[in-house]
Amino acid sequence: GAVVSQHPSWVICKSGTSVKIECRSLDFQATTMFWYRQFPKQSLMLMATSNEGSKATYEQGVEKDKFLINHASLTLSTLTVTSAHPEDSSFYICSAPGTGDTQETQYFGPGTRLLVL
Amino acid sequence: AQSVTQLGSHVSVSEGALVLLRCNYSSSVPPYLFWYVQYPNQGLQLLLKYTSAATLVKGINGFEAEFKKSETSFHLTKPSAHMSDAAEYFCAVSEPGYSTLTFGKGTMLLVSP
Repeated sequence: GAVVSQHPSWVICKSGTSVKIECRSLDFQATTMFWYRQFPKQSLMLMATSNEGSKATYEQGVEKDKFLINHASLTLSTLTVTSAHPEDSSFYICSAPGTGDTQETQYFGPGTRLLVL
Repeated sequence: AQSVTQLGSHVSVSEGALVLLRCNYSSSVPPYLFWYVQYPNQGLQLLLKYTSAATLVKGINGFEAEFKKSETSFHLTKPSAHMSDAAEYFCAVSEPGYSTLTFGKGTMLLVSP
């Protein structure tokens, strides 16, 4: 149980284009999901908290107009990187807290590698 | 505010040797503590967690960790390393009732034959 998927697993795009990354909870519902960014050989940095049916909460220093988050259903959150630039190249990982007696645990997706040329 | 310190960005062991990855935390409230493992180009997999029950926690793949409040530590151990244990390990802390995790910088475990 508590499986989180991401799509795509990797994407290469040209500078200036927009890229959408999907995060799905496959066997449980998630009213909250989290989006992280990880640079090579570094830890995960929380970008934003995605809330089903309401606006996302962004961490300080994260541009909300550049990283659009939509949490349209209890099993799907999307992160859209708008007008991507090479400095946006990174590994993006989503997570969702479990339910019931696992609600204190976050379950992570496999990540999406973004390369902006 | 919470924080996590992982001592040693890299730890090298021989196959069959003891694995010890260190984690110290700072928290103003009794914390929840986690260890995650990340293989190259993959997401994070939960190894084990401490949520205020038994202080010695056993996880998957033979790993265990002990919560020591007096030392504010949650070190990860495994009696005998296997080649497949080579990966990046992250210690994380959260507050009870809150899902947000604060991660340490990670420790890369290298296992040599």
